[in-house]
Amino acid sequence: DTGVSQDPRHKITKRGQNVTFRCDPISEHNRLYWYRQTLGQGPEFLTYFQNEAQLEKSRLLSDRFSAERPKGSFSTLEIQRTEQGDSAMYLCASSSMGGQILPGANVLTFGAGSRLTVL
Amino acid sequence: RKEVEQDPGPFNVPEGATVAFNCTYSNSASQSFFWYRQDCRKEPKLLMSVYSSGNEDGRFTAQLNRASQYISLLIRDSKLSDSATYLCVVNGFNKFYFGSGTKLNVKP
Repeated sequence: DTGVSQDPRHKITKRGQNVTFRCDPISEHNRLYWYRQTLGQGPEFLTYFQNEAQLEKSRLLSDRFSAERPKGSFSTLEIQRTEQGDSAMYLCASSSMGGQILPGANVLTFGAGSRLTVL
Repeated sequence: RKEVEQDPGPFNVPEGATVAFNCTYSNSASQSFFWYRQDCRKEPKLLMSVYSSGNEDGRFTAQLNRASQYISLLIRDSKLSDSATYLCVVNGFNKFYFGSGTKLNVKP
């Protein structure tokens, strides 16, 4: 297993366009998280999944943002009608549930992130 | 109020120095605690979990004070390679909350 993979690593888009990011978690991990990070700040929680169920979504997340994890494996994060304020690093992380005796139980392992620049 | 608060620094220290970072959290029901390290333009990586009894990993020592809702990280004998941002992380109800990070610069 090569860890958490994210694609694309960099995306430059014009304001108003839609963008989609993909995350492939560690295969044994049933929890998947999306975070956003801007310069000088820590990662900010966006949403998380347990298997295919989206269990929580940040109140800060506008309705332009949507995330899916259709088969409980990879996930996508889509931003519609991008704005300049959406420019950030979008980080995906995975974790296994606490009851599982697995490496990474209850610990987040991050992907390298997808950096979005909205012009 | 933020869930996790940290002194942003930067802390500028010479090689070999001992440096301590602190962090406070607001939710007394928080269940698990961590320090992550983040290098410039890279993803955060787990440095160590923090246990109630305190724990040590080489030059790094972490302490947790649940009564004061306070977490600390001590780095002894700082190396140039320790230069990074250190993120305090608190897990409550399956959500991981991050502080803004404390930047450490270790100088020759």
